[in-house]
Amino acid sequence: LAKTTQPISMDSYEGQEVNITCSHNNIATNDYITWYQQFPSQGPRFIIQGYKTKVTNEVASLFIPADRKSSTLSLPRVSLSDTAVYYCLVVNGGATNKLIFGTGTLLAVQP
Amino acid sequence: NAGVMQNPRHLVRRRGQEARLRCSPMKGHSHVYWYRQLPEEGLKFMVYLQKENIIDESGMPKERFSAEFPKEGPSILRIQQVVRGDSAAYFCASSGQNSNQPQHFGDGTRLSIL
Repeated sequence: LAKTTQPISMDSYEGQEVNITCSHNNIATNDYITWYQQFPSQGPRFIIQGYKTKVTNEVASLFIPADRKSSTLSLPRVSLSDTAVYYCLVVNGGATNKLIFGTGTLLAVQP
Repeated sequence: NAGVMQNPRHLVRRRGQEARLRCSPMKGHSHVYWYRQLPEEGLKFMVYLQKENIIDESGMPKERFSAEFPKEGPSILRIQQVVRGDSAAYFCASSGQNSNQPQHFGDGTRLSIL
């Protein structure tokens, strides 16, 4: 399974757009990219998933370039409640589907 | 439309006792996964089960740990003869039948060993 690398932490202010980039140089053809959010004392919450180009839902956008070796999670106009750890994962669609979590990115949103 | 339900939320055991953690998947989900999260670390995969079958247990410790997902009832993660190092948050996730469907997590069971 492809290893992912993302910043350990990021700081932002309320109302700003936040972009968290993840690199996954060894991504395979069948792999897709998934992002989760985790608050303290809670389980990870699925945010968004994509294979290539751009995916958008009601909470975030995911940008994946043509070579798929990286991806960027974009959170528009963050609020204090978006302070959390964000995990980028590469998932093999045909195998056991086990998720390999790294250390994630701790996003701290300040007023 | 209940999500993944785990119980208990908190469990305290003394060294040498048994711990049983329960997980009810989301309605319609037949795939269950267990993960463990140690303090200040990311989640680590333990085991993947479908109804009555263990599909991948590559993350399970070789001794004292077992998991099941019976035809009826919740999935159970069982830890025998617990030790202090078993203290962690144990998360269960479930997914539907398609391999690219995301896993949805419960809020975990926090196991503390005295």
